[in-house]
Amino acid sequence: DQQVKQNSPSLSVQEGRISILNCDYTNSMFDYFLWYKKYPAEGPTFLISISSIKDKNEDGRFTVFLNKSAKHLSLHIVPSQPGDSAVYFCAASADDQGGSEKLVFGKGTKLTVNP
Amino acid sequence: EPEVTQTPSHQVTQMGQEVILRCVPISNHLYFYWYRQILGQKVEFLVSFYNNEISEKSEIFDDQFSVERPDGSNFTLKIRSTKLEDSAMYFCASRKDRNQPQHFGDGTRLSIL
Repeated sequence: DQQVKQNSPSLSVQEGRISILNCDYTNSMFDYFLWYKKYPAEGPTFLISISSIKDKNEDGRFTVFLNKSAKHLSLHIVPSQPGDSAVYFCAASADDQGGSEKLVFGKGTKLTVNP
Repeated sequence: EPEVTQTPSHQVTQMGQEVILRCVPISNHLYFYWYRQILGQKVEFLVSFYNNEISEKSEIFDDQFSVERPDGSNFTLKIRSTKLEDSAMYFCASRKDRNQPQHFGDGTRLSIL
């Protein structure tokens, strides 16, 4: 059951350059998408989200793009900093009458930003 | 900034014993969740809780699992008779409203011997 896929287990970029993390999904009922960052021994930390009615959301150095027709979203980090080195999870939820809106996670991409 | 807190950070238990994992969600949040992550695998949903009842549970959440919100602040996950395969990181999360992000605690590492 891979409703949310992150096909790149790892990504390495130079400090100051752009990091692009990708995520694909298969469930057309998903209408809310999130990116989380996780350091070892900590829980996922919310970064940025996007609703399916938008195609872009920006917050400082982080921008999320959503392409609904391709069922694809991406996270851009510009400029990348060494402190951004972490595992990044893509997650999605579907609006449901019960109000659960449980998150379905990808496997994560480990980002390393080299000084 | 308010955060979700979980205790203990690490729990070691003998197989067959009961274990209770505790969470204090963010105070004005209304929706509560438990997830788990087995080593090397995805974070997977266990159960959601709203308005003092379970709103959804996964196939993993069988009769050995239960959740409770005994007072206005705590949210607990109980595993009645633990199995080796219950060893995982357990994360509690909460959110304020619909289409709002879930915020996670730092997790409890459960080790079943």
